Amino acid sequence: DGGITQSPKYLFRKEGQNVTLSCEQNLNHDAMYWYRQDPGQGLRLIYYSQIVNDFQKGDIAEGYSVSREKKESFPLTVTSAQKNPTAFYLCASSIGAGAINEQFFGPGTRLTVL
Amino acid sequence: RKEVEQDPGPFNVPEGATVAFNCTYSNSASQSFFWYRQDCRKEPKLLMSVYSSGNEDGRFTAQLNRASQYISLLIRDSKLSDSATYLCVVNMGPSYNTDKLIFGTGTRLQVFP
Repeated sequence: DGGITQSPKYLFRKEGQNVTLSCEQNLNHDAMYWYRQDPGQGLRLIYYSQIVNDFQKGDIAEGYSVSREKKESFPLTVTSAQKNPTAFYLCASSIGAGAINEQFFGPGTRLTVL
Repeated sequence: RKEVEQDPGPFNVPEGATVAFNCTYSNSASQSFFWYRQDCRKEPKLLMSVYSSGNEDGRFTAQLNRASQYISLLIRDSKLSDSATYLCVVNMGPSYNTDKLIFGTGTRLQVFP
């Protein structure tokens, strides 16, 4: 079955630690995205990538980093510089560039920083 | 003004009722419009795209009003399984050289027996 997988589903970390969230897709999509969702707020774009080896900052990139070494994979690292990292993180992909394309979401990772 | 604005609800309706949600957007250059459905603690899933002429998918009808800059979603014959949060999603328009979609905060629907 084609789709997007994110792991782990739940993640707990101590304050000050970096943590990497995994996102893999087998849909052969060029574009991939990372969002965070907080209660009462819409999804906010952290980073996105239109093609392998290229990515751009979204609206709230501070304290995060990404890489896109393979088409299938777009891991997100939440660094200790992120002031409020506890959130629901969603990875998405779309067939290509252009916001006319539907974005497909993975099941998400709930990160709690203690 | 928020880029995408929705009434958070909740809308509490009985089974079989018809319910409508509106969503306003601020960028007149926006070209792409979607309704996503999000169940509690799950990922959003596309419900339907919204086309200029309006479109229907079973019990769901989506409409776009460019002059007033809003889109709407109508659900007829509500089912218990329709209970979810409905997200209005709009792209930033051709003046932006990105793929950015802007997600509304969602409207919560609760259908009761």
